[in-house]
Amino acid sequence: GENVEQHPSTLSVQEGDSAVIKCTYSDSASNYFPWYKQELGKGPQLIIDIRSNVGEKKDQRIAVTLNKTAKHFSLHITETQPEDSAVYFCAATLGGSQGNLIFGKGTKLSVKP
Amino acid sequence: GAVVSQHPSRVICKSGTSVKIECRSLDFQATTMFWYRQFPKQSLMLMATSNEGSKATYEQGVEKDKFLINHASLTLSTLTVTSAHPEDSSFYICSAGQVSGNTIYFGEGSWLTVV
Repeated sequence: GENVEQHPSTLSVQEGDSAVIKCTYSDSASNYFPWYKQELGKGPQLIIDIRSNVGEKKDQRIAVTLNKTAKHFSLHITETQPEDSAVYFCAATLGGSQGNLIFGKGTKLSVKP
Repeated sequence: GAVVSQHPSRVICKSGTSVKIECRSLDFQATTMFWYRQFPKQSLMLMATSNEGSKATYEQGVEKDKFLINHASLTLSTLTVTSAHPEDSSFYICSAGQVSGNTIYFGEGSWLTVV
């Protein structure tokens, strides 16, 4: 079946450094790629998303890039802060369906002060 | 503020009883909502797709008679765990998408503990 692979599974950075998380997807019909931040015991929070007609999107310290040819997309966090520490999930829509998301396995990001 | 609300956030029930979890979309209509289950330190696993006014679509391996889903209105979907057992203890999360824009939002999640 279709899947989304996410790397790395854990990432530790020093405060102020950048963090990059990468995902690849298998369904060529996927057209929506959101990123979620999940803190312990809470639901996933949408932090940024990108659609298939755009190659890059930025929102303050967070950016996402998409390469549809290679079927991969990445999350970039600059000037990391301790409060960025959480588990981050990438996702891709299953085909062109609205809302039916396939998730990566998650990346636990630790930002050390 | 949250655009998808879940209730209750935590619930403890006795083995053999049923428990209902509500998922509401705030300020927008959602013809489709999704229910996920998440075990500790794992990713989200899609259980079923809830369709307003019709039967839910369950993923392979999910018992539809055990996890009853009702989507009676465009802003409310409910998940009822029937005859709960300790192995049903988990974090249950719903999501909903706005008709326009395709943005998906998640609820805050519901911790279910079956004792």
